Amino acid sequence: AQSVTQPDIHITVSEGASLELRCNYSYGATPYLFWYVQSPGQGLQLLLKYFSGDTLVQGIKGFEAEFKRSQSSFNLRKPSVHWSDAAEYFCAVGATNTGNQFYFGTGTSLTVIP
Amino acid sequence: ETGVTQSPTHLIKTRGQQVTLRCSSQSGHNTVSWYQQALGQGPQFIFQYYREEENGRGNFPPRFSGLQFPNYSSELNVNALELDDSALYLCASSKGGGSGAYEQYFGPGTRLTVT
Repeated sequence: AQSVTQPDIHITVSEGASLELRCNYSYGATPYLFWYVQSPGQGLQLLLKYFSGDTLVQGIKGFEAEFKRSQSSFNLRKPSVHWSDAAEYFCAVGATNTGNQFYFGTGTSLTVIP
Repeated sequence: ETGVTQSPTHLIKTRGQQVTLRCSSQSGHNTVSWYQQALGQGPQFIFQYYREEENGRGNFPPRFSGLQFPNYSSELNVNALELDDSALYLCASSKGGGSGAYEQYFGPGTRLTVT
């Protein structure tokens, strides 16, 4: 069965520090991969996506993610975190072989210390 | 370009009642998906509509049903509400066909509380 795992429930970083949020997926084929960000009480905003091709993808707000097939991972990174990046981050998989289903991880909550 | 909108913003219902949530898709999008997000959890896929037909369904009982209209707006209906149905309901729209169906843009959600 398809699944998405975000091992870190909560991460705290200092403003200006680098960030890496982990995402692992279980899927039988090459998935479509996404990262979304959700601020409190808000809907989800698409940060970046991977469909095929270059395994390092750039997104909005200075975020990037790298698809590693051998590790079934799609980790999100940012070189220098800003206080406004504090939010909930969700990794998601689009499963093309099961009728357009979409699977989300349980999320990682990011706190940024001034 | 108009984004995804949802109504109402908040809703309080009593167990056993029925509820209808509404979603207007982003301009140019013909696919709408619905998600349930319980507190502290990731969104769970309920179903997807493409050109007015259900085009995929998650693990939700039949009392969760939907509609898509010719203008691609959509409704989510939940019958016989249970306390566990309390959640944020998110609607997402995308351009159907191929990988475009997976590039989803979300609305702000409807917060449903069942008492």
